[in-house]
Amino acid sequence: QKEVEQNSGPLSVPEGAIASLNCTYSDRVSQSFFWYRQYSGKSPELIMSIYSNGDKEDGRFTAQLNKASQYVSLLIRDSQPSDSATYLCAVDFNAGNMLTFGGGTRLMVKP
Amino acid sequence: DVKVTQSSRYLVKRTGEKVFLECVQDMDHENMFWYRQDPGLGLRLIYFSYDVKMKEKGDIPEGYSVSREKKERFSLILESASTNQTSMYLCASSWEVGNQPQHFGDGTRLSIL
Repeated sequence: QKEVEQNSGPLSVPEGAIASLNCTYSDRVSQSFFWYRQYSGKSPELIMSIYSNGDKEDGRFTAQLNKASQYVSLLIRDSQPSDSATYLCAVDFNAGNMLTFGGGTRLMVKP
Repeated sequence: DVKVTQSSRYLVKRTGEKVFLECVQDMDHENMFWYRQDPGLGLRLIYFSYDVKMKEKGDIPEGYSVSREKKERFSLILESASTNQTSMYLCASSWEVGNQPQHFGDGTRLSIL
């Protein structure tokens, strides 16, 4: 059974701080990793994808991948109240576009 | 930008009715997916399709069927709606080529009374 694990939270950070969201997965040969943001009552929105070890930056977001340790993380710099949402980690274990989703981490950014 | 459109944002139906949820994507994606999302249970895959007239069962297909007569359209059918099918239903699509993300529609919040 291939699994993606996330701490459900809530993770509470003050405005302007760095929010760090973590995700672990069960299969070392996985190729593709995605972070989605989901506001309450809305659908998931893709915010980052990462395919190779290391960091990938996009604006205030940085995705970090460590395949040897089987974890992927998302850093949000200068967190804003508008970043308050649930963040879903998704892994394509077989490069076949079937994604396995983690349960999500709820982030709360307090003004 | 990818556009995945679900026919209804909110829907209320009665127990025993046959319910159709429609999804259309405009990116010529080969793959299309139907999920349901419930509090505490996360996203669960109901069915997916990787080509016209092709369908594969996901993790929770019982009580559902699907239809894909055209590449851009993927329909989810609740054969005889029951109260435990009250949920948020999400459609997604993606390219066939590996390592591609899925793009989601806005979702349909379905209530079965």
